[in-house]
Amino acid sequence: GAVVSQHPSWVICKSGTSVKIECRSLDFQATTMFWYRQFPKQSLMLMATSNEGSKATYEQGVEKDKFLINHASLTLSTLTVTSAHPEDSSFYICSAQTPAGGSTDTQYFGPGTRLTVL
Amino acid sequence: QQPVQSPQAVILREGEDAVINCSSSKALYSVHWYRQKHGEAPVFLMILLKGGEQKGHDKISASFNEKKQQSSLYLTASQLSYSGTYFCGTRHTDKLIFGTGTRLQVFP
Repeated sequence: GAVVSQHPSWVICKSGTSVKIECRSLDFQATTMFWYRQFPKQSLMLMATSNEGSKATYEQGVEKDKFLINHASLTLSTLTVTSAHPEDSSFYICSAQTPAGGSTDTQYFGPGTRLTVL
Repeated sequence: QQPVQSPQAVILREGEDAVINCSSSKALYSVHWYRQKHGEAPVFLMILLKGGEQKGHDKISASFNEKKQQSSLYLTASQLSYSGTYFCGTRHTDKLIFGTGTRLQVFP
């Protein structure tokens, strides 16, 4: 159980275009999803926390107008990178939290989306 | 504040043991351990919830020292499949903050 999917697996786009990444929890409902960004040989850095039906909470230094997050249902969250530039090229990973409650919540990760901006 | 892991990298021969440490400057309420293979998403290994708790699965185990704000991951009789980058994650409110990572390579 606890499967999270992401689509697409990879995307190559031109500078200035927008890219949408989907994250779905396939066999459970996730009230909270998280978006991370990972540069090569570095750790996962939390970008934002996405709660179903409410606005996302962004980490310090993450531009909310550039990284639009929508959590429309209990199984789907989307991240849109607007006006992408080469420095946005990275591995974007979402995770969904099982609703166990409190500190026992476990996050399960999607397979990631590799974004390359030319 | 990001937890600090040590060592940064480990090279092992198959069958050898390794210990990975995770230290936090903030109080720890739970510690999560993940392994990530190159180009893939992190895979959940285990969670420790209480100070003094130890748990394991197969030949991978972990301990949690709440007072020292530390956790350690023990890999016994390592296998080739253990290769990857290991991350600890510490929970702050509803967020999971990942450690700096430890790259483990196991050779035949």
